[in-house]
Amino acid sequence: GAVVSQHPSWVICKSGTSVKIECRSLDFQATTMFWYRQFPKQSLMLMATSNEGSKATYEQGVEKDKFLINHASLTLSTLTVTSAHPEDSSFYICSARVPQGSYEQYFGPGTRLTVT
Amino acid sequence: QQQVKQSPQSLIVQKGGISIINCAYENTAFDYFPWYQQFPGKGPALLIAIRPDVSEKKEGRFTISFNKSAKQFSLHIMDSQPGDSATYFCAARSNEKLTFGTGTRLTIIP
Repeated sequence: GAVVSQHPSWVICKSGTSVKIECRSLDFQATTMFWYRQFPKQSLMLMATSNEGSKATYEQGVEKDKFLINHASLTLSTLTVTSAHPEDSSFYICSARVPQGSYEQYFGPGTRLTVT
Repeated sequence: QQQVKQSPQSLIVQKGGISIINCAYENTAFDYFPWYQQFPGKGPALLIAIRPDVSEKKEGRFTISFNKSAKQFSLHIMDSQPGDSATYFCAARSNEKLTFGTGTRLTIIP
């Protein structure tokens, strides 16, 4: 149980375009999902907290107009990188929080974004 | 500032040996301490987790030792195997948010 998927697993886009990444909880409903960014050989940095039916909460230094987050259902959150630039190239990972018990976060497999 | 310090940065252990990774924190509001294993190009996978009211938790070959007074916790991997070669992250949770350590790249050699 507690499986989280992401789509796509990798994407290449041109500078100035936008790209959408989907995060799905496959076998549980997640009222809260999280988006992280991980640069090569570095740790995971929390970008934002996504709550179903409400606006996302962004961490300090993360541009909310650049990284649009939508959590329209209990099993789906999306991250849209708008007007992408090469410095946005990174590994984006989502997690979904189980709604009871330990409230553990389960992570998706990640999406590798390359902006050319 | 909510930080979790992790050491060592990299670790080489012989097959069958014990791998030990350490973490320390400052924020006493942290209430949950998980460890994650990450393979290249993959998302982190939960290994084992502990709450601060417990001093030790063991699951199979993995053990967490927790010292609340020292604000330190560690992961022990017994009988380390080549398949354990990965990057390990400790984390600490406060207000449902996870703060990750800097990671330890573990290599198990035959």
